[in-house]
Amino acid sequence: AQRVTQPEKLLSVFKGAPVELKCNYSYSGSPELFWYVQYSRQRLQLLLRHISRESIKGFTADLNKGETSFHLKKPFAQEEDSAMYYCALISRNRGSTLGRLYFGRGTQLTVWP
Amino acid sequence: DTGVSQNPRHKITKRGQNVTFRCDPISEHNRLYWYRQTLGQGPEFLTYFQNEAQLEKSRLLSDRFSAERPKGSFSTLEIQRTEQGDSAMYLCASSLGLRSTDNTEAFFGQGTRLTVV
Repeated sequence: AQRVTQPEKLLSVFKGAPVELKCNYSYSGSPELFWYVQYSRQRLQLLLRHISRESIKGFTADLNKGETSFHLKKPFAQEEDSAMYYCALISRNRGSTLGRLYFGRGTQLTVWP
Repeated sequence: DTGVSQNPRHKITKRGQNVTFRCDPISEHNRLYWYRQTLGQGPEFLTYFQNEAQLEKSRLLSDRFSAERPKGSFSTLEIQRTEQGDSAMYLCASSLGLRSTDNTEAFFGQGTRLTVV
């Protein structure tokens, strides 16, 4: 069964410090991994996806199939990064619901000035 | 705002009453999803439409829940005989999938927060 684990409910760092939000998954197959972000009073929105291999707002995430992890990293956190971050996966297995997202419980990131 | 629109934003209802939520997806999107989110948890999948066809329903969707997308555009989610455990944020998302292998970006609405008292 698909499962996404975000071990930290809360994470606080100071502005300019590196930040890493952890995400581990369990899945028998080849999933697609995503990070979604929800800023205060805004809707959930896509931050990045592993197949794009791009950096968005300074964030990167590398899929490590050996460790089944997809940690989100930023070398220098900014106050505007404060938000709720959700790791999610989509199953590519035959018969899976197209585009169905399996979410972790989320990590609330606070960046202090 | 041309994104996914959900109405109402908030709904307070008494236990046992029926409620209906509406989702207007991005106009050209053929895929539509409903999720439920409770406090401290990530969104959980409820159901999926491709155009007007409801192709998947989660075990979370009890017999009291029904969803429709009659013309392949807007969708409604109805909960009959609401219970306190139904209190949650109900999220709608849409995406454009032209091929069965497409996993394009899902765009979310702002959700409908249901409180059952």
